[in-house]
Amino acid sequence: DAGVIQSPRHEVTEMGQEVTLRCKPISGHDYLFWYRQTMMRGLELLIYFNNNVPIDDSGMPEDRFSAKMPNASFSTLKIQPSEPRDSAVYFCASRISAGLNTEAFFGQGTRLTVV
Amino acid sequence: GQQVMQIPQYQHVQEGEDFTTYCNSSTTLSNIQWYKQRPGGHPVFLIQLVKSGEVKKQKRLTFQFGEAKKNSSLHITATQTTDVGTYFCVGSWGKLQFGAGTQVVVTP
Repeated sequence: DAGVIQSPRHEVTEMGQEVTLRCKPISGHDYLFWYRQTMMRGLELLIYFNNNVPIDDSGMPEDRFSAKMPNASFSTLKIQPSEPRDSAVYFCASRISAGLNTEAFFGQGTRLTVV
Repeated sequence: GQQVMQIPQYQHVQEGEDFTTYCNSSTTLSNIQWYKQRPGGHPVFLIQLVKSGEVKKQKRLTFQFGEAKKNSSLHITATQTTDVGTYFCVGSWGKLQFGAGTQVVVTP
């Protein structure tokens, strides 16, 4: 398996534009997590899904952020409209549930810069 | 919310020295996981501890789970420059919420 795949790796956009980040989890994994990482706030959990259903979105900063998981092999994180303070590295991670918690595998991340 | 607290947040270590980072939880954990993130990289799973008092070793890294399953530690002996990065402990509440981590800087 190629691991968790995120695209794009880098995104530079202008303030006010819509940004869509994509994630393909590892095949067979039923949990998917979206994180945002900045120097100031560290690694923040934004939302996570189980079997394509959002379980906890309490970390989503505001209504400008939305996440979907239309099927088991694809998820998107959308920011509309984007603002400079959204600049960060966004990570997607997946894991399989098998009794006790199992390890999470992270993608390479998407570095977003909003100018 | 439920989260483990990690100390110290920063650790400067001379190459060859030992150091320890600690995690503390106010509630009992079913298990705890440790991850490492190299500068510019993504978090990578290191280990999971499940049993009370459990101790696991990976070469120069020793992981310990407290008897009450409320704390954990990572001890690195003879630190090398390859140990640079941020080490995270993650409590097992399903949602995989990371704390601040311990950022380790190694001086040659």
